[in-house]
Amino acid sequence: ETGVTQSPTHLIKTRGQQVTLRCSSQSGHNTVSWYQQALGQGPQFIFQYYREEENGRGNFPPRFSGLQFPNYSSELNVNALELDDSALYLCASSFTGGAHEAFFGQGTRLTVV
Amino acid sequence: GENVEQHPSTLSVQEGDSAVIKCTYSDSASNYFPWYKQELGKGPQLIIDIRSNVGEKKDQRIAVTLNKTAKHFSLHITETQPEDSAVYFCAASISVGSGGGADGLTFGKGTHLIIQP
Repeated sequence: ETGVTQSPTHLIKTRGQQVTLRCSSQSGHNTVSWYQQALGQGPQFIFQYYREEENGRGNFPPRFSGLQFPNYSSELNVNALELDDSALYLCASSFTGGAHEAFFGQGTRLTVV
Repeated sequence: GENVEQHPSTLSVQEGDSAVIKCTYSDSASNYFPWYKQELGKGPQLIIDIRSNVGEKKDQRIAVTLNKTAKHFSLHITETQPEDSAVYFCAASISVGSGGGADGLTFGKGTHLIIQP
């Protein structure tokens, strides 16, 4: 167990809707990164949050947005859902200023119909 | 940006034999190379990592080697056991901070390791 928890575990949404996914980071960690994992693929970096600000972003459109809260937990928001957004969304927790290791939660399986 | 290639996509070995998974990366600035194990229905689990100032690292039955000149790194699992069956991912990053830094981790496409009894 990594101590990184994500909610919900599964979610079904309709195309065009909006969704919010949540992540609680591991104790002692101050940085959260979000990844999208399509079936049979490796995770793809969406963005990273540090000190409540977006610290870096992968090749994802602006309808993917996020927040980090003072307790270092984070949210991923996706607007105008598309069928291709169906994937496992992973949150990774780490500590900026220390070791490099990133620890993942169990993920949220999003299905867009 | 960084590109990570991983081979093979599927690897089947007899229990007790060794398994080797290979990855190459494209950006010579990458300096951090973790390996993750992902079991069905779970998130990736960090099993070992290596930094660019080290050529090899071992942890019990698992070892990772890094060749910076050739830009490739490999995962070696000895004395394989049924519980080693999973999908393994290599990753690379230019990590100046944490968790892959501002550019995140770039992952390979994964290797499905099957341990035959």
